[in-house]
Formats: sequence, structure tokens, C-alpha cells
Amino acid sequence: DVKVTQSSRYLVKRTGEKVFLECVQDMDHENMFWYRQDPGLGLRLIYFSYDVKMKEKGDIPEGYSVSREKKERFSLILESASTNQTSMYLCASSSRDRPEAFFGQGTRLTVV
Amino acid sequence: GQNIDQPTEMTATEGAIVQINCTYQTSGFNGLFWYQQHAGEAPTFLSYNVLDGLEEKGRFSSFLSRSKGYSYLLLKELQMKDSASYLCAVNPGTYKYIFGTGTRLKVLA
Repeated sequence: DVKVTQSSRYLVKRTGEKVFLECVQDMDHENMFWYRQDPGLGLRLIYFSYDVKMKEKGDIPEGYSVSREKKERFSLILESASTNQTSMYLCASSSRDRPEAFFGQGTRLTVV
Repeated sequence: GQNIDQPTEMTATEGAIVQINCTYQTSGFNGLFWYQQHAGEAPTFLSYNVLDGLEEKGRFSSFLSRSKGYSYLLLKELQMKDSASYLCAVNPGTYKYIFGTGTRLKVLA
């Protein structure tokens, strides 16, 4: 079974803090994604990566950056957390050989 | 633009059949996906259609018409555990996926 693991299930951070969300997958997938999910807005793509050290902006990259130094790990960074970044963050991965994406359990981030 | 539409909420009775519709307008098309998401949990993959027609997988079936930009997910013999959100997603031909806002299904006893 594919396993996508996010480092935290729940996080509470203060406004202005630098926040790191970590995601690790164990299936040697080339593609990795970060989404945020908000009520009524669905899943919105923040960034994705199709290879090590490669990254592309999604639909809502402002206020975020990412890092992919190793194939299995994709990190999302909030440079200076703000209250409007309070959300559920979902990491996903997929292979070039199989079409579906597999999701981690999600990190519910609250910025106060 | 890219747009995926699905109903916000549906209610059905245990043992019944329910059909959740999804219409899409995307710049390209390389497959349509359905995911199930229980409250507070991650989405889990249900089905994938890339050619027109019906794909059946146990109690769940998914249909695609590319010419109409239309898909549906059919759930038979509904069970209480099927109460969840159902997400329609399209791969427009790039690495990424575009998701609809999801349909919240409530199954009543």
C-alpha cells in the first residue's frame, strides 16, 4: 500500500512565525503536491513537484514556498504565517505510471 | 478557464441507489477521478475514467462522457458508512489535478 505521511495532524502557530509542513511518501513517486482545503472552496493546489529539486506554482502560491531535496520528501514552508493561512493542508503523491494521486492524512493548521 | 461543478449536498436512504453528477470544463483532458473523503480524513481514490463509458467496481460505478464534459458516480446498496464527501477531479493533461468543491452525501437509516 502507498503511504503518504504528513509530519503533524494538528498545528497551532502564531502570526509571523515560519512554519514547516513535512510530507514523506514511500512509493518512489515522481510527483508530489501540496493542497489546501477550505469549506466551500474545495482542494486548491499550492505547489507541485515532478522531480527532485523541481517545483511549479499551483493556483495559490502566494505566501508559500516548497522544497524537494529528496525524492521521497516534499516540504511546504509558510514564510510568515498569517491568520488567512488557517486551513487543512493535504500532501499527495502520484506516479508517472499510475494516474491516481494518494493523499496524506492532512495537517490542520491554525494560525493565531 | 478551468471549472468543475458538482452538487453541494445530497441525501439518500440506506439500501438505495444515488447518482452524484460532475460536469467539467478544462483546457485539456487526461482522465477524471472520483475520491471519497470522510470528515477529518484524507481523500481516498475510488475510480478513474479516461475513455467514455461505465467503469464498475463493486457497489461503485463511474461513467464518463467526454463530448459532454460529464461524469457521474453511482453508489448502489447504500450503507451508513458511505456518508462522506465525494470529490470529482480532472487531470487537464499536465501533472496536476483540478478538484471540484465536493458533494456531501448523507445516508439516512
